Amino acid sequence: DGGITQSPKYLFRKEGQNVTLSCEQNLNHDAMYWYRQDPGQGLRLIYYSQIVNDFQKGDIAEGYSVSREKKESFPLTVTSAQKNPTAFYLCASRYRVDQPQHFGDGTRLSIL
Amino acid sequence: GQQVMQIPQYQHVQEGEDFTTYCNSSTTLSNIQWYKQRPGGHPVFLIQLVKSGEVKKQKRLTFQFGEAKKNSSLHITATQTTDVGTYFCAGPGYGGSQGNLIFGKGTKLSVKP
Repeated sequence: DGGITQSPKYLFRKEGQNVTLSCEQNLNHDAMYWYRQDPGQGLRLIYYSQIVNDFQKGDIAEGYSVSREKKESFPLTVTSAQKNPTAFYLCASRYRVDQPQHFGDGTRLSIL
Repeated sequence: GQQVMQIPQYQHVQEGEDFTTYCNSSTTLSNIQWYKQRPGGHPVFLIQLVKSGEVKKQKRLTFQFGEAKKNSSLHITATQTTDVGTYFCAGPGYGGSQGNLIFGKGTKLSVKP
């Protein structure tokens, strides 16, 4: 069954720690996206990748990093430079520009 | 920069009442997409509108794309508790945002039984 898998579902970060959120898709989609969602808020774009080995910053990239070494995988690292990381993180992918985005179930990140 | 605005931000209705959310873009759009996010869940694609003045229906949901392709609306007839969630509209980005979707902030619908 094709889809997008995000893990873990819940993640806790200590002060000064980097954490990595996983996003894997088996939909053969070219483009992948990371969004941040705060309570009661919309979706804010962190990073996106339209093709393997290439990615661009979104609206709120500071304190985050990504890699796209494989088509199926687009991990997001929340670095210690991100001072307010508590949020719901959503990964999405799409096949073509005019196609809808498919979302994973999300990861909830909290500070310990 | 390019913006997609949605109103209202919140809507509380009694079960059986109708509901409408409106979406306005700062630029003409080639298409507009609508998503629904249930509480605690992730956004799920509902529909895409492409043509000027297009109207599409999904059971009790009616979607419209404006003649100028800069606005859209989602109307739900006789809401049910299963309609609870946040409804987002999104349009394709242009220029520096090409390849991305620009999402509105969403309308959160609550339905009182």
